[in-house]
Amino acid sequence: QVQLVESGGGVVQPGRSLRLSCAASGFTFSTYGMHWIRQAPGKGPEWVAVISYDGSHKFYADSVRGRFTISRDNSKNTLYLQISSLRSEDTAVYYCAKEVGPRQGFDYWGQGTLVTVSS
Amino acid sequence: QSALTQPASVSGSPGQSITISCTGTSNDFIDYNYVSWYQQHPGKVPKVMIYEVSNRPSGVSNRFSGSKSGNTASLTISGLQAEDEADYYCSSYIGGSTPYVFGTGTQVTVL
Repeated sequence: QVQLVESGGGVVQPGRSLRLSCAASGFTFSTYGMHWIRQAPGKGPEWVAVISYDGSHKFYADSVRGRFTISRDNSKNTLYLQISSLRSEDTAVYYCAKEVGPRQGFDYWGQGTLVTVSS
Repeated sequence: QSALTQPASVSGSPGQSITISCTGTSNDFIDYNYVSWYQQHPGKVPKVMIYEVSNRPSGVSNRFSGSKSGNTASLTISGLQAEDEADYYCSSYIGGSTPYVFGTGTQVTVL
């Protein structure tokens, strides 16, 4: 069965950096695009970033472009999100999600990892 | 990019049908048929209910159906049940440099 397990969240001071990881299993990781989606407390989901199956294409939300970097290691079945210059508005649960197929939506989500930006 | 617009709340009695709308203003939303819908119960992870406008993943009840016309997509829940009470979000591929967007969300209440 498909499993996505995020890690790396925590309490971080404004301006600092963090790297989130998402360990995937139960499907052929190297053949699917993968996404990061976040959800601030009491708010709806916000799409953050996508990376193509081979890592050659990456896209970001306007709110994070230039500060966040998505990457993947297909040999380790792992997705990453490098977050820098953290702001209070980045406080959220960060989910990794597998796409159904190109452009088709997100069929499996991890349980999420909470990032809290606070001094 | 602008979020897709949904009604804040929709309610219905058990057994009734309800429809949640999702309106986009960009030509990309109108042109593409890549709308998906997610159900989220409190404290839980979002679950896909519909993808590509009207496709239902295996395991999702056939009481859930999707459609799209012009700049508005819709999720219909027929035979409303207590377990359907949750938040629902639409999402769509819209292309461009920020290719995905979520809707503002709709709270469904079963009376």
